[in-house]
Amino acid sequence: KAGVTQTPRYLIKTRGQQVTLSCSPISGHRSVSWYQQTPGQGLQFLFEYFSETQRNKGNFPGRFSGRQFSNSRSEMNVSTLELGDSALYLCASGETSGGETQYFGPGTRLLVL
Amino acid sequence: GNSVTQMEGPVTLSEEAFLTINCTYTATGYPSLFWYVQYPGEGLQLLLKATKADDKGSNKGFEATYRKETTSFHLEKGSVQVSDSAVYFCALSFYKLTFGKGTLLTVNP
Repeated sequence: KAGVTQTPRYLIKTRGQQVTLSCSPISGHRSVSWYQQTPGQGLQFLFEYFSETQRNKGNFPGRFSGRQFSNSRSEMNVSTLELGDSALYLCASGETSGGETQYFGPGTRLLVL
Repeated sequence: GNSVTQMEGPVTLSEEAFLTINCTYTATGYPSLFWYVQYPGEGLQLLLKATKADDKGSNKGFEATYRKETTSFHLEKGSVQVSDSAVYFCALSFYKLTFGKGTLLTVNP
């Protein structure tokens, strides 16, 4: 089976812009979770979608949003970008909701200037 | 809330040395426990997992045992290789993955 894919792999934006990241889960997986990785804060949970519904949400401002489509592909959007949003954004897919055994994609590295 | 504490790195070892990376957790309920590995420029790879007390997860020579009495899930490998150089993350799962801060392992030839 193909693994989790994320596009784009690298992105450079300026403050105030918005960005959309995409994630395609492993075939058959209906759960997609998003994590932010930074040197200072480490790995932090953003949100999880399962069967097109947001199931869990981390402690991030409303500028961070997401959605999931009927084919389980997911997108994450960040509006009004701030310098502190520079990070590696990781997507993970799983068969069930709730964090059990997730498989990660290679990530999208976002740099905000 | 739930949290994971793992030993601070970096850890530097010679090839064929014994590896231990300590991990302890605080959780409500009985979470599943995981070790993930991250190579430079890549995402996280699932290394091993354990879903209940006394379970031992193992993969590629790495092992970790779910110890409920000490709330620990220490990672061990008997003989490390240069190719094991990476960052290792301990994590628990309870509605979401909660990660430790990661331990950088460097193995020298």
